[in-house]
Amino acid sequence: QITLKESGPTLVKPTQTLTLTCTFSGFSLSTSGVGVGWIRQPPGKALEWLAFIYWDDDKRYSPSLKSRLTISKGTSKNQVVLTMTNMDPADTATYYCAHRRGGDCYDYWGQGTLVPVSS
Amino acid sequence: QSVLTQPPSVSAAPGQKVTISCSGSSSNIGNNFVSWYQQLPGTAPKLLIYDINKRPSGIPDRFSGSKSGTSATLGITGLQTGDEADYYCGTWDSSLGAGVFGGGTKLTVL
Repeated sequence: QITLKESGPTLVKPTQTLTLTCTFSGFSLSTSGVGVGWIRQPPGKALEWLAFIYWDDDKRYSPSLKSRLTISKGTSKNQVVLTMTNMDPADTATYYCAHRRGGDCYDYWGQGTLVPVSS
Repeated sequence: QSVLTQPPSVSAAPGQKVTISCSGSSSNIGNNFVSWYQQLPGTAPKLLIYDINKRPSGIPDRFSGSKSGTSATLGITGLQTGDEADYYCGTWDSSLGAGVFGGGTKLTVL
C-alpha cells in the first residue's frame, strides 16, 4: 500500500525559504522507474506542476519556478525534500507530493499541506 | 494561464453522459500520454485515467478517456451526484521539459 504525507511550516513570511518534506511508504525511490513529484494548488485555483525526482536522481523543474526550486532525496530513504526560495504571498497554496508512474502520471497523492505566506 | 485548455464548467442530469475536453499541442498531448484526475471538494486529486484510456484498479468503467491529435477527452456515463467535482487533465510537455495540467473543469450534476 503506497502512502505519502507532506510536512512543513504552517506559516511562511515573505522572502523566506520554504522547506517541505514528503514522507512515503509502500515503494522505494531506489527502484528503477520510480519517481516523486510536487504539485501545488492556490486556494480556489488549478493544479500547478512544480518538480519531480527520479530513482536515478534525475530532476526536472517547472521552467517558471526553476530558479527558486530544489528537489532532493531526503536523509531518510523514504523522504523527498522540496525547497522554494524567496517566498511571496502569491505562493500561498496547498502543496502535494505524489508518486509518479510513467508518462508523468501521479497515481498516489498525499493529503496536501496548506502553506500560507504572510507577514 | 494553463498550457492545457479545459472548459471551466460542464453540467448534466443524473444518469446522463458528459464529456470534458482538454486541448493542447504537439509538444504535450500530441506526443505524450494523458492522465485525468478527479478532485472532490477539500480532498487531494485522484487518478481516474492514465495512458490516455486506462483505469486504475477501483475506477468504474463509467469513466473513459480518449485522444485525437492534440486533444483529449474524458467521458463519464451514468452520472451520479457523487461525481460532482473538479476534473483535471495532465501530461508531459516535451518542449518545456515539465509536467503540465489543464485549468480544471467543474462538473455539476443537476
